[in-house]
Amino acid sequence: QQQVKQSPQSLIVQKGGISIINCAYENTAFDYFPWYQQFPGKGPALLIAIRPDVSEKKEGRFTISFNKSAKQFSLHIMDSQPGDSATYFCAASMSRRGSGTYKYIFGTGTRLKVLA
Amino acid sequence: DSGVTQTPKHLITATGQRVTLRCSPRSGDLSVYWYQQSLDQGLQFLIQYYNGEERAKGNILERFSAQQFPDLHSELNLSSLELGDSALYFCASSPIDSLEAFFGQGTRLTVV
Repeated sequence: QQQVKQSPQSLIVQKGGISIINCAYENTAFDYFPWYQQFPGKGPALLIAIRPDVSEKKEGRFTISFNKSAKQFSLHIMDSQPGDSATYFCAASMSRRGSGTYKYIFGTGTRLKVLA
Repeated sequence: DSGVTQTPKHLITATGQRVTLRCSPRSGDLSVYWYQQSLDQGLQFLIQYYNGEERAKGNILERFSAQQFPDLHSELNLSSLELGDSALYFCASSPIDSLEAFFGQGTRLTVV
């Protein structure tokens, strides 16, 4: 129930194409779903996040689509660029009043390579 | 730069030894989280502290312990080290009542 399943494990996209990464969760108590981007040798950096009360959130070229009934969410990277080549992690968390977010449960990561 | 500082960046030590990893959270953040990232296990939650108190525990080994000090910095202590403990250890912090967690650059631990 605590798992977050992420796919695909790796993804190769041509420059200008759309990258799509999918995640699924079981625990309906999760109420915060961030996506993190990690470059080699660096820590994960928050890219975009969504709460389950909305079905889509867009920030620049990055969009999260959220399907509450299916317990799935996905990251879409439009007009993918070589600089987007990184590992992407989805995560799920439960909020707790007064102490910030609860622990993140991370997906296993997707290694994205965008070809020039 | 996330504002979370971890030291050291790299650490090489022998099996059986003990090491301490240090984390300074972002200014004002009361929550500190420790995660372990290994090739085969991904990012695994170890432990969370909030304003000096342990708040949540993950799959943290008994050989590992952590604490958060009054100035809010945190230390992760790893003892009786084994080869399998080699990994990247990340610290993250979040402000009160915020769902965002900000990660440091990590400490790469190599046990030989």
